[in-house]
Amino acid sequence: GESVGLHLPTLSVQEGDNSIINCAYSNSASDYFIWYKQESGKGPQFIIDIRSNMDKRQGQRVTVLLNKTVKHLSLQIAATQPGDSAVYFCAEITPPGYSTLTFGKGTMLLVSP
Amino acid sequence: DAGVTQSPTHLIKTRGQQVTLRCSPKSGHDTVSWYQQALGQGPQFIFQYYEEEERQRGNFPDRFSGHQFPNYSSELNVNALLLGDSALYLCASTLLIADTEAFFGQGTRLTVV
Repeated sequence: GESVGLHLPTLSVQEGDNSIINCAYSNSASDYFIWYKQESGKGPQFIIDIRSNMDKRQGQRVTVLLNKTVKHLSLQIAATQPGDSAVYFCAEITPPGYSTLTFGKGTMLLVSP
Repeated sequence: DAGVTQSPTHLIKTRGQQVTLRCSPKSGHDTVSWYQQALGQGPQFIFQYYEEEERQRGNFPDRFSGHQFPNYSSELNVNALLLGDSALYLCASTLLIADTEAFFGQGTRLTVV
């Protein structure tokens, strides 16, 4: 079936750099997208979300971009810190999903001091 | 305000045995979803409970069953355990009417030997 996927399994950056994590989704009916951060031994932690009627949303140091034309989602992290090291998942909800999430495989972000 | 809590944190079971995992949702939430996360993979949706009934189900066999109690807490039961059931089991809670992001617990690490 359709699912969310990621282009890069591992991304290594230097502290202070900007990081970009990409995600391709294939279900054009999905209307809600969420980025989660998962640290080792912990459950996924909400970072930022975006609905399909938007193309950009900003949070603290993070920005999510949605390109519905090419079904692409990205997470930008500004001034990446060692504490940002984790696995990042994008997830989608397809109506009538009732908050049930379809996750991709994840991208490991490694931040070197 | 307590977040989503799961118990136990770790569990080792033998093939063929049965297991029960427990989840208490975030305060004020009424909907509980369960996910299975194999090592190196994204979480996969098992099922969702609302008003003590299974509301949606993912592609998991009948060996996986659940329950929701009047206080919104939930259990996940797995019968006739297989080695392939070894995974991190995550519980997520939401407030259905709010249709917002799910909050995850830290998970239960199940190892089947």
